[in-house]
Amino acid sequence: GNSVTQMEGPVTLSEEAFLTINCTYTATGYPSLFWYVQYPGEGLQLLLKATKADDKGSNKGFEATYRKETTSFHLEKGSVQVSDSAVYFCALKGIQGAQKLVFGQGTRLTINP
Amino acid sequence: DTEVTQTPKHLVMGMTNKKSLKCEQHMGHRAMYWYKQKAKKPPELMFVYSYEKLSINESVPSRFSPECPNSSLLNLHLHALQPEDSALYLCASSHSVLQTTSGGRTGELFFGEGSRLTVL
Repeated sequence: GNSVTQMEGPVTLSEEAFLTINCTYTATGYPSLFWYVQYPGEGLQLLLKATKADDKGSNKGFEATYRKETTSFHLEKGSVQVSDSAVYFCALKGIQGAQKLVFGQGTRLTINP
Repeated sequence: DTEVTQTPKHLVMGMTNKKSLKCEQHMGHRAMYWYKQKAKKPPELMFVYSYEKLSINESVPSRFSPECPNSSLLNLHLHALQPEDSALYLCASSHSVLQTTSGGRTGELFFGEGSRLTVL
């Protein structure tokens, strides 16, 4: 079945540091891939998405590239801010079982000033 | 309007109470979802409605009863819950669910802020 594996957190960085959160997936064919962010006490917000191989999703300075050859969708940001502190979830929606969004375990990110 | 609105934001109930969580969207989406999220865990799918019909029930106990009165509304009726049912309940919606062929697209889910449920 479909699955998503994220790097374990928590991750703590200083402001303006470079961020990478690793995400790899297992799925048949070409799933759609997503990064969601959950700020404290809130629901999930879509951060970015990619729907086919080599697509790059980007939003708010975050980027992730759909790598079919390595089945990865790593999240990156060149210079993080305190306001980026949140939990980040990698997710996929497969071709089969398209109604289900499969989440990774989430990575808690804390940015210190 | 790109919002999914959930009410109430917080709910405290006893194990013998009957209560309901409500969810509303006006984006014309035809798929709606209930997820349950425990602390420090990812959301877990409970139910999916597609075109107002229940299409997925992830073996959820019958003390949770979903209802989709129309394409904009989704309810979750709660009865005889247990303390371990305390969690954040998230509603989401998406464009119509498509079974796509290779290379097709499936849309993202739009989530509400959630209803935080405490069962005493």
